[in-house]
Amino acid sequence: DVALTQSPLSLPVTRGQPASISCRSGQSLVYSNGNTYLTWFQQRPGQAPRRLIYKVSIRDSGVPDRFSGSGSGSDFTLNISRVEAEDVGVYYCMQGTHWPRTFGQGTRLEIK
Amino acid sequence: EVTLVESGGALVQPGGSLRLSCSASGFAFDAHLMNWVRQAPGKGLEWVSSIDKYFTPYYADSVKGRFTVSRDNAENSLYLQMNSLRDEDTAVYYCLDGDYRWGQGTLVTVSS
Repeated sequence: DVALTQSPLSLPVTRGQPASISCRSGQSLVYSNGNTYLTWFQQRPGQAPRRLIYKVSIRDSGVPDRFSGSGSGSDFTLNISRVEAEDVGVYYCMQGTHWPRTFGQGTRLEIK
Repeated sequence: EVTLVESGGALVQPGGSLRLSCSASGFAFDAHLMNWVRQAPGKGLEWVSSIDKYFTPYYADSVKGRFTVSRDNAENSLYLQMNSLRDEDTAVYYCLDGDYRWGQGTLVTVSS
């Protein structure tokens, strides 16, 4: 199985400051078609997860542009340029390149 | 509007069975890989099973031989038949369209 390792697991951030979450995989997530299926989800307290970013860096419609994804191969990052109160929750990366699908452990973002 | 609605969660005794359903609308269900993902209380996301548009099933090792995924494209529905349930299967079970849309989840509690 492809392990996804997120860091940090806990992320206290002052409102208005940037935040960064790393997701590293045990092997390359580049698929045979050249695409890299690395997705970022946000789960707010008491809610179902919601997709933010897919194929490493493509932001979903309605997702604020302060969220961005980057990386390649086996090393990926979710960046939030200026954290707002509504960003509190747990962030997960997931790989859709290999079977079985796997998720990172989750990173809990809180406002300091 | 795109919706995914899970149902069928309940309290069941260890060794029992349950069938979950996910009713989809608002998109081309028959063209999509569909997934089941679960979240144990206070824990992270865990991929459980998928079925692709060719009806090929995929399973996590933890449920292989006990769970069966299926789909009915005429009804735009996804199913998860869960047998030989264990305490550790207690979780909210989510339906996930590809890596995109999530349902609201249905709670399965395995306890005597």
